[in-house]
Amino acid sequence: EAGVAQSPRYKIIEKRQSVAFWCNPISGHATLYWYQQILGQGPKLLIQFQNNGVVDDSQLPKDRFSAERLKGVDSTLKIQPAKLEDSAVYLCASSLLTNTEAFFGQGTRLTVV
Amino acid sequence: AQKITQTQPGMFVQEKEAVTLDCTYDTSDPSYGLFWYKQPSSGEMIFLIYQGSYDQQNATEGRYSLNFQKARKSANLVISASQLGDSAMYFCAMSFNDYKLSFGAGTTVTVRA
Repeated sequence: EAGVAQSPRYKIIEKRQSVAFWCNPISGHATLYWYQQILGQGPKLLIQFQNNGVVDDSQLPKDRFSAERLKGVDSTLKIQPAKLEDSAVYLCASSLLTNTEAFFGQGTRLTVV
Repeated sequence: AQKITQTQPGMFVQEKEAVTLDCTYDTSDPSYGLFWYKQPSSGEMIFLIYQGSYDQQNATEGRYSLNFQKARKSANLVISASQLGDSAMYFCAMSFNDYKLSFGAGTTVTVRA
């Protein structure tokens, strides 16, 4: 079974530029999560989808971050414009159902200079 | 509001010894799930063990066991017979009634030969 796929693995951009991350969850997984993990900290949930609907986006900075999950499968997370404090690893995860274990992708390491 | 607390930022353990990682939580929801994840220096997030709030017995998975004390709202992870490969960051996570999967700050474990 293929795992959660994320791309790109690494990205360096200048502040005020835009960037997009892509995630393809495990086939059949209804729940998809995007997390932001700053070095040395625990992952912070940005947005959670159930199929193609948003379950929670209370910690998503909506003035600059957006995410979508069209057709309830893969998802994109966009930052526009980026700030220095957005430098982090962005993790995508999926689970078969809510309240079951989530499987994580390798993450995208974003550096904003 | 739900909250997950890991009070041990870092721990050292001798190879072949057991180590206990603390996790406490605060919720008024009767239904929740408890998870532990391991994050080695390579960055991937690996699921270790799960316990449901209604489960009567403590979960075990190989060398991992979860000491679930519901009345005290704690869910400590016990790693028996530590190995050098256990050196990593360990995160406690919870899925609450609203299904958000939230993480604690993590505990770094270093296994000494």
